[in-house]
Amino acid sequence: TQLLEQSPQFLSIQEGENLTVYCNSSSVFSSLQWYRQEPGEGPVLLVTVVTGGEVKKLKRLTFQFGDARKDSSLHITAAQPGDTGLYLCAGPFGNEKLTFGTGTRLTIIP
Amino acid sequence: GAGVSQSPSNKVTEKGKDVELRCDPISGHTALYWYRQRLGQGLEFLIYFQGNSAPDKSGLPSDRFSAERTGESVSTLTIQRTQQEDSAVYLCASSLWTDQPQHFGDGTRLSIL
Repeated sequence: TQLLEQSPQFLSIQEGENLTVYCNSSSVFSSLQWYRQEPGEGPVLLVTVVTGGEVKKLKRLTFQFGDARKDSSLHITAAQPGDTGLYLCAGPFGNEKLTFGTGTRLTIIP
Repeated sequence: GAGVSQSPSNKVTEKGKDVELRCDPISGHTALYWYRQRLGQGLEFLIYFQGNSAPDKSGLPSDRFSAERTGESVSTLTIQRTQQEDSAVYLCASSLWTDQPQHFGDGTRLSIL
């Protein structure tokens, strides 16, 4: 079974601080996606990264795909209460369906 | 509608009853997925469909759980003889192909009394 481990599992920080969450696997992804899930809703796709070493920015969110395509990180600058939610990474191994990571539950304290 | 639609949004039932959850995927999406999410937890994969066939049923927790999809469209997840541990949010997602991003519905919140 291929696993995507996310860390930390829980993170609670003050508004305005910076944070980084991680997604790691022992296997190579052909691409990797990050989703955010807010309470009472389904997960929503934030970004897809495809190339090893790729960096994508989405306003205050910076996504990086590792050079070996086995890991990824999400960095949030100046966190806001609206960033609160469950962050999930997901990747297809080869042509298989997506495997979702274990998730990071982020709480931003106003 | 443009997104994945699930019904009902909430379901409360007594232990031992059967429940049926419905998912309407985005039109044209060949792949459809069911997940279970317990309170405060991540996604637990249950089953997925490619077209009308289910190549991977490995996540179904017991033989009380079954799912079908007809016409490469609507899917139903059925739980027979519900137990209290079945209480969770059941999420459905669809995608163009299996390795493509998934689009989720808002889930059915199932509560077993």
